Amino acid sequence: EIVLTQSPGTLSLSPGERATLSCRASQSVSSNSLAWYQQKHGQAPRLLIYGASTRATGIPDRFSGSGSGTDFTLTISRLEPEDFAVYYCQHYGSSRWTFGQGTKVEIK
Amino acid sequence: EVQLVQSGAEVKKPGDSLKISCKGSGYSFTNYWIAWVRQMPGKGLEWMGIFYPGDSDTIYSPSFQGQVTISADKSISTAYLQLINLAASDTAMYYCARRPPYAYVWGNYTPSYYFDYWGQGTLVTVSS
Repeated sequence: EIVLTQSPGTLSLSPGERATLSCRASQSVSSNSLAWYQQKHGQAPRLLIYGASTRATGIPDRFSGSGSGTDFTLTISRLEPEDFAVYYCQHYGSSRWTFGQGTKVEIK
Repeated sequence: EVQLVQSGAEVKKPGDSLKISCKGSGYSFTNYWIAWVRQMPGKGLEWMGIFYPGDSDTIYSPSFQGQVTISADKSISTAYLQLINLAASDTAMYYCARRPPYAYVWGNYTPSYYFDYWGQGTLVTVSS
């Protein structure tokens, strides 16, 4: 079973700064199977990125995804006040979906 | 507009059973998988299982196999998550989410492996 490890656990940044979130898989995975979600407090998750780097419909271009193999990154180029939230990576493999434990992006 | 609307919050006693609903609208219900995801208080997301209304194909997470039953009624575009023999540890928010049949990646259509629309969540509280 593939395990996704996200780092850091918490990222403290100011609006306007760049956020770099990491998702590391315990073994190499297909980029097609890697997605990122944003979850604001009290809300359902929202799809941001699929296929490791394709933005979902309506997602601003300040969000970008990259990576391959075991290392994937979600970058928020300039944080807006509404971007402070928890972010999860997700993988599919062997008829299973798994989520990372999440990275909280908080206001510094 | 695509929507997944879940049933309301529930308060149950240990040993009770429960069936949560998720009604899809704005799309062809039988052509999209519906997944269920648990989020315990203050914790992350856990995939529980997934169901294809077109042919009732179902895949359960090994962590939830035997503990839950996923089903759907195509005639009313509604998916269900049944929880049995509830315990305090089942207290959580439960989400349904839609998996599209295909993804458009780098100019090609490929199988999709993500969830593009989510229900608002159903909070289940189990307490004596």
